[in-house]
Amino acid sequence: NAGVTQTPKFQVLKTGQSMTLQCAQDMNHEYMSWYRQDPGMGLRLIHYSVGAGITDQGEVPNGYNVSRSTTEDFPLRLLSAAPSQTSVYFCASREGLAGPYNEQFFGPGTRLTVL
Amino acid sequence: AQRVTQPEKLLSVFKGAPVELKCNYSYSGSPELFWYVQYSRQRLQLLLRHISRESIKGFTADLNKGETSFHLKKPFAQEEDSAMYYCALGGSNFGNEKLTFGTGTRLTIIP
Repeated sequence: NAGVTQTPKFQVLKTGQSMTLQCAQDMNHEYMSWYRQDPGMGLRLIHYSVGAGITDQGEVPNGYNVSRSTTEDFPLRLLSAAPSQTSVYFCASREGLAGPYNEQFFGPGTRLTVL
Repeated sequence: AQRVTQPEKLLSVFKGAPVELKCNYSYSGSPELFWYVQYSRQRLQLLLRHISRESIKGFTADLNKGETSFHLKKPFAQEEDSAMYYCALGGSNFGNEKLTFGTGTRLTIIP
């Protein structure tokens, strides 16, 4: 199993450009999520999905869109990039919806810079 | 609302000395606590769960509901423990699938 994969690893955008960060998992996990990691602020949840066709907002959803058409894929779209979206983005997946035994598996991250 | 507080952004400890990384939480239901670790150039990964009451790489963490804490401890620090540590909170409330992370503590072990 490849686990959770993310592409690209690095990306530089200009303000106003749009792009999609890709995330895929091959573990048949129901739950997938996107976080951003910023110095001093830790990991903050952007959007999450509890299954194909179902998504919901996390703590910092503004400026981002998601969709979940398949169990495997959970792309994150930046509609009009802003410098405040410069961050490292992590995708994660989990087998169950919740529970004290459920481990969340993370992708390697995408480092995004918006100029 | 669920909240996780890690009061120390940075923590430096000498090799062989005890380590304690603090984590406090706020949650109205029955909490589910985890510690995740990110070593240099590696993915974030689960270190331990409160429910398992296990020792992983010499680390332990006890859930103290009275003090709403889940501090991570190790009696003798090793150089390979240098990493970023995140405390994370899930919960038993219906419909609560989200995992909330603290701001993290960067642990540096001094040789």
